[in-house]
Amino acid sequence: ETGVTQTPRHLVMGMTNKKSLKCEQHLGHNAMYWYKQSAKKPLELMFVYSLEERVENNSVPSRFSPECPNSSHLFLHLHTLQPEDSALYLCASSQDSRRELFFGEGSRLTVL
Amino acid sequence: KQEVTQIPAALSVPEGENLVLNCSFTDSAIYNLQWFRQDPGKGLTSLLLIQSSQREQTSGRLNASLDKSSGRSTLYIAASQPGDSATYLCAVRPEIQGAQKLVFGQGTRLTINP
Repeated sequence: ETGVTQTPRHLVMGMTNKKSLKCEQHLGHNAMYWYKQSAKKPLELMFVYSLEERVENNSVPSRFSPECPNSSHLFLHLHTLQPEDSALYLCASSQDSRRELFFGEGSRLTVL
Repeated sequence: KQEVTQIPAALSVPEGENLVLNCSFTDSAIYNLQWFRQDPGKGLTSLLLIQSSQREQTSGRLNASLDKSSGRSTLYIAASQPGDSATYLCAVRPEIQGAQKLVFGQGTRLTINP
């Protein structure tokens, strides 16, 4: 148990669906991250929030929409995804943006 | 552009052996380096964090070293056990002001055979 909880753990959606991934951290951290892990590729940073403000958007398509309502919660809203978006989506948090990262277990997304 | 390479991509050793995993990075201007472990289908577990001013960090049977000037880090695992089987990833944080982005290698998939 890392203190970072992601739900759902598995999600299957059609290309026209709208769904959301949720991340919650119980560590008192003030920075939260979304990463994408595809087969045979290094982890790719998608978004960074520091003190609930988005500080990095790593050229992610607009069909991915993050939301950080408070320092403990982070969402990734998904709409009109493509099959190539199928991947493991990992949430992480850190005490500040330069400290050690702690990851959740990930949400395995399959887009049909 | 910072790039991180981990060689070999896969490694299989008998139980009980000591082993070394390698990580190299192209730009020595880093703030810190972090080693992670990932079990199949799971998230990443942080193993060790080395600040740029440090040469090594130890945790139990794990020892990570950092040679910033040559762009290299190693993760030493002593007396390996089947439970150590996992993918090991290293990641560097650039020294650029305000850099939040960790740059990851592709990992070394380690198998410890009983």
